[in-house]
Amino acid sequence: NAGVTQTPKFRVLKTGQSMTLLCAQDMNHEYMYWYRQDPGMGLRLIHYSVGEGTTAKGEVPDGYNVSRLKKQNFLLGLESAAPSQTSVYFCASSLSSGGLQETQYFGPGTRLLVL
Amino acid sequence: GQNIDQPTEMTATEGAIVQINCTYQTSGFNGLFWYQQHAGEAPTFLSYNVLDGLEEKGRFSSFLSRSKGYSYLLLKELQMKDSASYLCAVRDDSNDYKLSFGAGTTVTVRA
Repeated sequence: NAGVTQTPKFRVLKTGQSMTLLCAQDMNHEYMYWYRQDPGMGLRLIHYSVGEGTTAKGEVPDGYNVSRLKKQNFLLGLESAAPSQTSVYFCASSLSSGGLQETQYFGPGTRLLVL
Repeated sequence: GQNIDQPTEMTATEGAIVQINCTYQTSGFNGLFWYQQHAGEAPTFLSYNVLDGLEEKGRFSSFLSRSKGYSYLLLKELQMKDSASYLCAVRDDSNDYKLSFGAGTTVTVRA
């Protein structure tokens, strides 16, 4: 099993450009998450999904959109990138909610630099 | 988000013991996770506590006191490979997205 994979690993964007980050998991997990990690601030939840076809806002959703058309994939979109979106983006998945089933498994991350 | 506090950095010697504290304030506490994150890598699951007491897993142990809003991660017989950031994450049922992470504690192990 590959676990959680993310593409791309690294990307440089100019302000105003758009891009999509792809997350895939092969563990048949129901829940998927997108986080950003910035120095000194820890992981902050952008959006999450509790199942195929559903999405919900997290702590810092502005400037991002997501889609979960297939259970194994969770896409994060930036419509018009801003320098404030320079960060490391992590995708995660969990079996479900509650107890140890909520243990999240993380992808390797995507480093995004917006100039 | 939640108010989750951890020390920013800690340094210890190889073979020693280090205790990383985590305090939190939440109205619907329902579990606490510890994750390890090596520089440039993804966080990986270490431990989970939902009841008061100590959970032991080899060289790593995690303790929880719900009444005090307090947890610690104990790393024994430190090895160089334990140099990493340790993240405390709290599950709160009053929060729609349930799990909030602390900023992490960077542990440096010296020879």
